[in-house]
Order: sequence, then structure tokens, then C-alpha cells
Amino acid sequence: AQSVAQPEDQVNVAEGNPLTVKCTYSVSGNPYLFWYVQYPNRGLQFLLKYITGDNLVKGSYGFEAEFNKSQTSFHLKKPSALVSDSALYFCAVRDFARDDKIIFGKGTRLHILP
Amino acid sequence: DTGVSQNPRHKITKRGQNVTFRCDPISEHNRLYWYRQTLGQGPEFLTYFQNEAQLEKSRLLSDRFSAERPKGSFSTLEIQRTEQGDSAMYLCASSAGLLQETQYFGPGTRLLVL
Repeated sequence: AQSVAQPEDQVNVAEGNPLTVKCTYSVSGNPYLFWYVQYPNRGLQFLLKYITGDNLVKGSYGFEAEFNKSQTSFHLKKPSALVSDSALYFCAVRDFARDDKIIFGKGTRLHILP
Repeated sequence: DTGVSQNPRHKITKRGQNVTFRCDPISEHNRLYWYRQTLGQGPEFLTYFQNEAQLEKSRLLSDRFSAERPKGSFSTLEIQRTEQGDSAMYLCASSAGLLQETQYFGPGTRLLVL
């Protein structure tokens, strides 16, 4: 069965510091991995995805994520955090060989402190 | 705005009433998905359509829930005899192409059952 784990409910980072939001996954086949962000009372906005190729994926708003197959991880990173990055972040996985639904983690709330 | 739209954005109803939500996908997207998100959780897959065909339904989709996409464009999600446990954010997403990987989400419909 597919699953996603986001081990941190909340991450606090000072503005200007680098940030990391952790994600590990489990799928039986090849993983398609995603990060989405959700602002209050809003839907999910797509940030980036990993399908194949370079393990370092760059996305919107200066975010990037690193795919690590041996550790089954897909951590979200940004070199310098902004207060406006404060939001709820979801990691998601899809096993394309099995079906089309996306399995989401529980989310990590990111607080950027001014 | 050519993104995914959902109506209504908010719905308050009394237990036992029926409710219907509408989703308009991004134009020409042939896949449409419904998810449900409860407080503190990530979105959970409910069902999805390829054009007008409903291809998969989650076990979460009880017989009180029905979804349609009659002309392969917009979709409706109906909940009959609502229960307090149905209170949640209902999210719609769409994607395009045969190897579509990215699902784009609408703003959601927040349902409160009293």
C-alpha cells in the first residue's frame, strides 16, 4: 500500500534561514512525488514534483526538493525562508503503475518567524 | 481565471439534508478528482473520472455519496442524508493528458453539518 509520512507537525524557522520539511514515502513501484502548499481557507497549490531524472527538483517560489531513493525520502527545502512561506505543506505520492490517486501526508505547518 | 472552480465555497446544512457541490475543471482536462479533507489531515481520495466515466471509488465513498460528470466537463458531488461526520472540506482537482502527473486543485467547498 502507498503511504506518506511527514514526521513533523510543525516546523519553526527564522526568516532568512534555510528551511527543510521532511517527507518519507512507501510505494511498491516507481514513485511519483509531489509537494503542495495550502494557505488558510484555500485549496492546494502545486509546488513541485519528481517523476524521473535529476534527484534535485526545483519548483515555485524558490522551493526545491531532493529525491533519495535509498532513504525513500523527498524533503522540501528552501535556502532562505520568507515570512510569506508560512503555510501548511503536504507531501504526496503516487504509484503510477497501480492507479491514479494521490496519497497525501498529514501535512506540516511551517512558521517563519520575523 | 482558468483554474479549477468550485461552488459553493461554503455550505451549512442540517443533519439529514441533501447537499450538492459543483466542480468546474480546467478547460480540456479529461481527468477530474474528488478529495475530502478533515481538520488536521491531508486530503483523502474519494473518486475520479476520466471524461464522463467514473473509474475508481474509495471505500470512504459510502452509498450516501454520489458523483457524476455527465458530459465530461463539470462534475457534481451529492451527499444524501448528511451526517455530522460529513463535515469537511471537499476538494476537486483536474489533470490533463495520458501521462498526466500534476493534479491542480480548486479552492474547495467547506461543509458544516449541524
